[in-house]
Amino acid sequence: GAVVSQHPSWVICKSGTSVKIECRSLDFQATTMFWYRQFPKQSLMLMATSNEGSKATYEQGVEKDKFLINHASLTLSTLTVTSAHPEDSSFYICSGTAGNTIYFGEGSWLTVV
Amino acid sequence: LAKTTQPISMDSYEGQEVNITCSHNNIATNDYITWYQQFPSQGPRFIIQGYKTKVTNEVASLFIPADRKSSTLSLPRVSLSDTAVYYCLVGLRMDSSYKLIFGSGTRLLVRP
Repeated sequence: GAVVSQHPSWVICKSGTSVKIECRSLDFQATTMFWYRQFPKQSLMLMATSNEGSKATYEQGVEKDKFLINHASLTLSTLTVTSAHPEDSSFYICSGTAGNTIYFGEGSWLTVV
Repeated sequence: LAKTTQPISMDSYEGQEVNITCSHNNIATNDYITWYQQFPSQGPRFIIQGYKTKVTNEVASLFIPADRKSSTLSLPRVSLSDTAVYYCLVGLRMDSSYKLIFGSGTRLLVRP
């Protein structure tokens, strides 16, 4: 299947700082990518849809100024968590579509201390 | 709101066949049904996808009745390494891509 890569796999940051997570489609182009957040023992929650060359669309309850999404190319979308707080600690996962199938990245663990 | 309903958990033993059924009463004409497997601290992994009838690949089979309001993932002869959460998703088509809303998934525990 198609490959979606995320970086970093895990990151620890101090409260109040910003951290960027990258999502790359390695062997296909993705005009649309999705960002999810997952807390332990819970399902994935869709945060936003990342659109190449245009603004992201956010799900209800997700703060667009806090979770900045940039999709500057057909193979790269980035999620920046700004002014991070401990409650932002979570597992962040991105996905991209190849054909009729969505493929997910390996996920990125964010811990805010 | 999730568009699918699955059992919260299932138990099985090594070597048995496991069938996980998912309800998706409001499936749209263009929607595909896709199943994913997720291990702790990993992204979901694609297992199988179908539109109608039966689909089989090297790891699983997917059975979809004519009305497409449900689907059943069949895992033949499970092993301990199949212990994971299994998600059934129905695509909500958006232009050239799908917007997937996850339900609770089914936690499968395979015992020795």
